[in-house]
Amino acid sequence: DTAVSQTPKYLVTQMGNDKSIKCEQNLGHDTMYWYKQDSKKFLKIMFSYNNKELIINETVPNRFSPKSPDKAHLNLHINSLELGDSAVYFCASSPLRGAGELFFGEGSRLTVL
Amino acid sequence: QKEVEQDPGPLSVPEGAIVSLNCTYSNSAFQYFMWYRQYSRKGPELLMYTYSSGNKEDGRFTAQVDKSSKYISLFIRDSQPSDSATYLCGMSEDSNYQLIWGAGTKLIIKP
Repeated sequence: DTAVSQTPKYLVTQMGNDKSIKCEQNLGHDTMYWYKQDSKKFLKIMFSYNNKELIINETVPNRFSPKSPDKAHLNLHINSLELGDSAVYFCASSPLRGAGELFFGEGSRLTVL
Repeated sequence: QKEVEQDPGPLSVPEGAIVSLNCTYSNSAFQYFMWYRQYSRKGPELLMYTYSSGNKEDGRFTAQVDKSSKYISLFIRDSQPSDSATYLCGMSEDSNYQLIWGAGTKLIIKP
């Protein structure tokens, strides 16, 4: 049974479109994250939610909007996609609010044409 | 200067060799240090977690923290082709703070 699952795994879309990525964790963790990993493998935190409350909102264009309907789910909606949005987006969860062990999903690879 | 520096590699070594992966950092307040392993097209997974200074060993893996030099290392003994992956270091001042990540080192173990 997958601990952190993301869908879809692959998205290929045109510039200007809107897309969503969904994430679910069955670990009972209170904290969930969205990370962006570029082609050079650098992980950049985007958002963090603790028990449905937004606690981290890094400098991310407001075309990116997270939503946490409950503590087990965290979705990411991206409006007006740009070429530079192409990356792998990882969802993660943690039992702690901060630097505890992070459990990552397998990633959603977004390609914007 | 980045807060955490890590050589991206790739680092290519023969099977059975001892591998040393390193990160340096500038923030002397970091106390929590982690190593994550990421296989191709997978998410990172926690490999080693150390608090403050010292060594921690787990099987073929040893994590070392030298806070006086602001330097952390991950050693892999008897390296195997299955160890081929990208290794990311992450560190934080406090368990309630977010991890600051290195860029990751790509490791290739040749059979």
